[in-house]
Amino acid sequence: EAGVTQFPSHSVIEKGQTVTLRCDPISGHDNLYWYRRVMGKEIKFLLHFVKESKQDESGMPNNRFLAERTGGTYSTLKVQPAELEDSGVYFCASSPWTGGSNTEAFFGQGTRLTVV
Amino acid sequence: AQSVSQHNHHVILSEAASLELGCNYSYGGTVNLFWYVQYPGQHLQLLLKYFSGDPLVKGIKGFEAEFIKSKFSFNLRKPSVQWSDTAEYFCAVNPPNFGNEKLTFGTGTRLTIIP
Repeated sequence: EAGVTQFPSHSVIEKGQTVTLRCDPISGHDNLYWYRRVMGKEIKFLLHFVKESKQDESGMPNNRFLAERTGGTYSTLKVQPAELEDSGVYFCASSPWTGGSNTEAFFGQGTRLTVV
Repeated sequence: AQSVSQHNHHVILSEAASLELGCNYSYGGTVNLFWYVQYPGQHLQLLLKYFSGDPLVKGIKGFEAEFIKSKFSFNLRKPSVQWSDTAEYFCAVNPPNFGNEKLTFGTGTRLTIIP
């Protein structure tokens, strides 16, 4: 079974440019999460999709970040325009919908974004 | 709001040494507890988890963790480490509330094992 896949693995862009990160969750997983780790700090929650709907986007830093999950399959996270402080590793995770709690999230390898 | 503290930022051990990584959390209710590991160049993967029941949890690769509710702790242990355990380790929690499974992570502990 394929795991959570993220593209690209590494992106270097200039301040002010736009970048789009992609996440392909495990097939059949309705829950999809985005997290971010700024260098040396903790991994922080950004948002949570259930299928195509945003369940919780309380962790999104500001309106320069836009996440979508059209059709409830893969998700994209766009940063426009990128700023220096957006640099970090962006993780995607997915988990099955079990109708309750106590589910395990499976993570991708992350996308390292460097804004110069 | 919940928070997770990992007090050891970088731990260096020789092979065969015993390991204990600290994790304390701050949350006023019941929590699920996790340890994730990220080996160099790989994805985050689950080492072990605690939802309920026996507070001593066994995970993969010989790791275990003990949930001590009175101390709000979930320390990770391994009796004898190997060079291949070199990785970054993350403690995480989430409240077992329906529809609210987002994880709160600690800052991570980098473990370096010297052959």
